[in-house]
Amino acid sequence: GAGVSQSPSNKVTEKGKDVELRCDPISGHTALYWYRQRLGQGLEFLIYFQGNSAPDKSGLPSDRFSAERTGESVSTLTIQRTQQEDSAVYLCASSFMTGDTQYFGPGTRLTVL
Amino acid sequence: AQSVSQHNHHVILSEAASLELGCNYSYGGTVNLFWYVQYPGQHLQLLLKYFSGDPLVKGIKGFEAEFIKSKFSFNLRKPSVQWSDTAEYFCAVNRNSGYALNFGKGTSLLVTP
Repeated sequence: GAGVSQSPSNKVTEKGKDVELRCDPISGHTALYWYRQRLGQGLEFLIYFQGNSAPDKSGLPSDRFSAERTGESVSTLTIQRTQQEDSAVYLCASSFMTGDTQYFGPGTRLTVL
Repeated sequence: AQSVSQHNHHVILSEAASLELGCNYSYGGTVNLFWYVQYPGQHLQLLLKYFSGDPLVKGIKGFEAEFIKSKFSFNLRKPSVQWSDTAEYFCAVNRNSGYALNFGKGTSLLVTP
């Protein structure tokens, strides 16, 4: 079946603008995760969704970052008033259940000028 | 702080050479361990994982990893690398009861013909 998909694949924006990134998880996967990978760094956990439970937002770096997920489907990550340090690849992953193997999407490369 | 360390940031090998990439973590308790690979232009893929049982885990493409609990290590090995193994390799850990993966910074492997 189809894997995790993300859009857009690349996004260039100006400092101060808002951006919205989209993730389509694998069908039937109840858990969804967002990570960020800055240049030369490992992946940083941002946020986690499991079914209809309250999300774990403990990894979000500031209140400019927010994410939503509708049921067990699409998720959007929104970054408001983007800053240059937000430039990174934003990766989405999904798993069948919490604790199962996470499958990653291709990522969205965000460049803030 | 809890962390995952990959000691080799850049490795260059000739084809048929043996490979060992180090990974250490600083968590107490029961953990799940993963190696992910990212080939040029592709997204992160699971190479192998350890949840429990035999500490010697075999993955795809001839890779294996050994979990040594006393050393908090999960090193990746391959007896004979190929040019097609050129990629970025990431070690990741999560707590048995958790979900967020903590990644090392990655090791870039270049295999020369």
